[in-house]
Amino acid sequence: EAGVVQSPRYKIIEKKQPVAFWCNPISGHNTLYWYRQNLGQGPELLIRYENEEAVDDSQLPKDRFSAERLKGVDSTLKIQPAELGDSAVYLCASSLNSRENGYTFGSGTRLTVV
Amino acid sequence: LAKTTQPISMDSYEGQEVNITCSHNNIATNDYITWYQQFPSQGPRFIIQGYKTKVTNEVASLFIPADRKSSTLSLPRVSLSDTAVYYCLVGGDFYNQGGKLIFGQGTELSVKP
Repeated sequence: EAGVVQSPRYKIIEKKQPVAFWCNPISGHNTLYWYRQNLGQGPELLIRYENEEAVDDSQLPKDRFSAERLKGVDSTLKIQPAELGDSAVYLCASSLNSRENGYTFGSGTRLTVV
Repeated sequence: LAKTTQPISMDSYEGQEVNITCSHNNIATNDYITWYQQFPSQGPRFIIQGYKTKVTNEVASLFIPADRKSSTLSLPRVSLSDTAVYYCLVGGDFYNQGGKLIFGQGTELSVKP
C-alpha cells in the first residue's frame, strides 16, 4: 500500500512569492490533515478535512494560507504571499476516521523562505 | 484537549530498556493515549495506542495506571535506529473531538553504542 505522498520534498522561495504544496492521501482515507512543524517543535495542526469539507481550520492563518481538497482525495495547501516566518516543514496526514489506525503522515515538504 | 508533559530528552545505550513517561493530568474519559515516533526528515509514525492497563505490540509496550493521569512508553532493548523524537498525545476520539491530535514538544531519545 502506498503511503501518504507529498510534493515537492523541498522548496526554496523568496519572501512575498506564492508557494503550493500537494498531498495525496492513502486510498480510502476520508480524513486529511495539514500540519506545520517548526524546527525543534512538534507538529501543529493547520486544517482538517472530512472528505472535501474543511471541518477544522481554526489554526489556519487565513490571510495568507488557503487549502482545498477537491473531490475529497488530493489536497493542496497554498501560501500567498510567503513570509520569512513560514519557513517550516509542512506535513500531510490521513486517517480512516478510526482511532485504532492512527494517522499516517507523509514525509513533508521543507519550505525555506529567503 | 488534555495537555501532556514529557521529558525533553533522554539518553540510553544499545540493548537497554527505555521508559519514557508522559503526564496528562487532565485526561478526559473519552481520551486515548497515543505515541508517535519521528525520525529526522520524516513525518511522525504511529507506534502504539491504549486506553488503560497495558498494551503491547511488536515495537513497544504502553503502561497506563488506573487513574490514567500518566503513561509510560517502554522500548525493549533499544538499538541505534531507535534514536528519534517520541511524542505522547492524548485525544483522538473521533466521535467527540473529530480525531484531533495535539503534539507537544516530544522527547528526543538518543541511543549510544
